[in-house]
Amino acid sequence: GNSVTQMEGPVTLSEEAFLTINCTYTATGYPSLFWYVQYPGEGLQLLLKATKADDKGSNKGFEATYRKETTSFHLEKGSVQVSDSAVYFCALSGGSNYKLTFGKGTLLTVNP
Amino acid sequence: NAGVTQTPKFRILKIGQSMTLQCAQDMNHNYMYWYRQDPGMGLKLIYYSVGAGITDKGEVPNGYNVSRSTTEYFPLRLELAAPSQTSVYFCASSYTGQMNTEAFFGQGTRLTVV
Repeated sequence: GNSVTQMEGPVTLSEEAFLTINCTYTATGYPSLFWYVQYPGEGLQLLLKATKADDKGSNKGFEATYRKETTSFHLEKGSVQVSDSAVYFCALSGGSNYKLTFGKGTLLTVNP
Repeated sequence: NAGVTQTPKFRILKIGQSMTLQCAQDMNHNYMYWYRQDPGMGLKLIYYSVGAGITDKGEVPNGYNVSRSTTEYFPLRLELAAPSQTSVYFCASSYTGQMNTEAFFGQGTRLTVV
């Protein structure tokens, strides 16, 4: 079956630091890959996605590249802000179904 | 735009009580989902629906029931609440079932069973 493994948190950074959150996956075929973000007290919202190998998803300064050879979709941002503090979820959709499979989530806290 | 609306936001139940978590979407999405989010465990799919009148079990359906009489509403029913059902529940919807489709989430219902 499908599965997603993402970096354990919590992650604490200072403002303007570089962020990487690792995500690897197991799936049959060619899944679509997503990063969702959950700000405090809110539901999840899509941050970015990639639908085929070597695609790069990007939004709000965040980037992730679909690497089929390493089955990875690591999230990066060059300079984080306090407002980026949230829980980040890696997810995939694919194989024989379209339902999302989520990783456990990574709590990011950015300090001024 | 309302998007996906869940009620209530918080609820405390006693063991054995029942309740219905409400979910409504105004985007005319065919696909709707219920997830539960346990600390450090990510989201697990409880039930989903591909259209009015059609529902199916997800990964963790035991102790829950759903119905989908209209496109807009997808309530989740807990019949005999148990402490193991203490969790945050999220309703979501998507326009299609295609793999690259974005899912839209409600703000969640935090349920505590005591």
